[in-house]
Amino acid sequence: EAGVAQSPRYKIIEKRQSVAFWCNPISGHATLYWYQQILGQGPKLLIQFQNNGVVDDSQLPKDRFSAERLKGVDSTLKIQPAKLEDSAVYLCASSHRSGGASYNEQFFGPGTRLTVL
Amino acid sequence: GNSVTQMEGPVTLSEEAFLTINCTYTATGYPSLFWYVQYPGEGLQLLLKATKADDKGSNKGFEATYRKETTSFHLEKGSVQVSDSAVYFCALVRPSSNTGKLIFGQGTTLQVKP
Repeated sequence: EAGVAQSPRYKIIEKRQSVAFWCNPISGHATLYWYQQILGQGPKLLIQFQNNGVVDDSQLPKDRFSAERLKGVDSTLKIQPAKLEDSAVYLCASSHRSGGASYNEQFFGPGTRLTVL
Repeated sequence: GNSVTQMEGPVTLSEEAFLTINCTYTATGYPSLFWYVQYPGEGLQLLLKATKADDKGSNKGFEATYRKETTSFHLEKGSVQVSDSAVYFCALVRPSSNTGKLIFGQGTTLQVKP
């Protein structure tokens, strides 16, 4: 079974530029997550999709970050314009479904390391 | 609010040494608890989990017991190997969560020397 795919693996941009990350979840997984992992910290959830609908985007800085999952499969996360503090690893994860009586394991991609200069 | 605190790293051990990485949590009710591992250049992988008090999660020689009295979920291994070198994250999911949102600690880097 193929894992969660992400691209690019690395990206360097200057502040005020825009950038986009792509994620393809495991086939059949309805739930997709984007996390931000700043150096020395644990991952923080930015946005969660169930199929193509947003379940939780409470910690997404909506003035500059946007995400979509139009067909309920792959997803794109965009930052426009980028700030220095956006330098981090952006992780995508997927699971069969979210919540409920039992935990549904989240499978993580390798991440995209963003450096904003 | 809900949070997870891990011991500061890096933790440096010799091969075959005993490992403990401390993790404590703050949550309303009884969350589900997890340990994730991140090997160099790879994504996070679920290592083990426990969903109720006194449960013991185990995998690949690692163990952690859900202690509600001390709100802890310490990770242990009796004899570490060089291949265990990685970053370890403790995490929780709030009880009755309908989203399965993971709340992570800051991570602890383990370095095992031959």
